[in-house]
Amino acid sequence: DAMVIQNPRYQVTQFGKPVTLSCSQTLNHNVMYWYQQKSSQAPKLLFHYYDKDFNNEADTPDNFQSRRPNTSFCFLDIRSPGLGDAAMYLCATSIRRDSSTDTQYFGPGTRLTVL
Amino acid sequence: AQKITQTQPGMFVQEKEAVTLDCTYDTSDPSYGLFWYKQPSSGEMIFLIYQGSYDQQNATEGRYSLNFQKARKSANLVISASQLGDSAMYFCAMRDLSISSGSARQLTFGSGTQLTVLP
Repeated sequence: DAMVIQNPRYQVTQFGKPVTLSCSQTLNHNVMYWYQQKSSQAPKLLFHYYDKDFNNEADTPDNFQSRRPNTSFCFLDIRSPGLGDAAMYLCATSIRRDSSTDTQYFGPGTRLTVL
Repeated sequence: AQKITQTQPGMFVQEKEAVTLDCTYDTSDPSYGLFWYKQPSSGEMIFLIYQGSYDQQNATEGRYSLNFQKARKSANLVISASQLGDSAMYFCAMRDLSISSGSARQLTFGSGTQLTVLP
């Protein structure tokens, strides 16, 4: 009964070769988030979608883009991956974005390796 | 200043014993939520327990309980009767009003505590 699904679980790409990570949800939540987590660090929010409204964090590099074609799916595009982009990428969802009580539910993550 | 502080990078506990993982926070938002997540080596971030700033009672969820001391701004996680499967990284997180994001309340994580349960 997976609620937030990420594919693939492991992704290997080459330096500079575009890569797309996928997230889908069965919770029908309005908000979808993308986090980057490097080894032994806390997750760092890259951006989120509230319905179709895209919200970029101020320090997210331009190299990272996102698409949300419908409620269920959200994609993370890395246009030209560098070695520093190797990390775990976590997708999360929540019902609301303006509530402090709303829980975010995470997917299993995609571990990206850049060669 | 750090919004969420976890001062224990690593903790060890004997199987079947209880363990407390520390978390302190800082916010000026009167309405905030505190969350604990477990992240095993597989990488998935698993939601454990939630405490709201207006909740009068400490949250409990099975073997997990949250020792919420609002005046001290602490929200420690207590795991009772530790099991080998509890070995993981544990993150304390807070959701409060993020000025830079308007009305959006972002989730801010602490640096985590690596818990190892010994047989």
